Amino acid sequence: DTGVSQNPRHKITKRGQNVTFRCDPISEHNRLYWYRQTLGQGPEFLTYFQNEAQLEKSRLLSDRFSAERPKGSFSTLEIQRTEQGDSAMYLCASSLPLGRRSGNTIYFGEGSWLTVV
Amino acid sequence: DAKTTQPNSMESNEEEPVHLPCNHSTISGTDYIHWYRQLPSQGPEYVIHGLTSNVNNRMASLAIAEDRKSSTLILHRATLRDAAVYYCILANSKLTFGKGITLSVRP
Repeated sequence: DTGVSQNPRHKITKRGQNVTFRCDPISEHNRLYWYRQTLGQGPEFLTYFQNEAQLEKSRLLSDRFSAERPKGSFSTLEIQRTEQGDSAMYLCASSLPLGRRSGNTIYFGEGSWLTVV
Repeated sequence: DAKTTQPNSMESNEEEPVHLPCNHSTISGTDYIHWYRQLPSQGPEYVIHGLTSNVNNRMASLAIAEDRKSSTLILHRATLRDAAVYYCILANSKLTFGKGITLSVRP
């Protein structure tokens, strides 16, 4: 399977614990995005990388959230001191830079479900 | 980010065409119009995109108004597998999703 891969697919954690999600993008894609989605809502943008550089961060990305893409390949999203409000599906996506000359399609993974109890 | 407006939901009969409208009156000249859909418990899936001209692919057609302030996603023959949430998005550096329109397909 050469699509976007996310791990783990499901995570249940106690409030206050730290969790980390991993995303492996499509290999030739230099852009990687993280989104969060709660029930009944559309995905909300969190951040995106071009290669290893984090180019944009949403205000939703509080101090407890950190995303890295150290070698411009896979990425991790860490949530520290989890709260019940962090319960959501965390989506990773990848693409070539959006624009006329490059691909205009963003490919999403299946998501990582987080439940904070 | 420029905003899109879609109805909350729409129903269709199987094997009939479906027209899903989207308004984007604040679209800028560099914004592409993208449509994605999302099935339950899955990540969003690309459907189609366009800039100014109407577009066709194997999944759907996209009709873009001449002033680009609205567009319509056309599913030519709806199937039960087309039941999903459809998002109309204006894209520049990233995708900004709204709530989308929930399409139900009756057998």
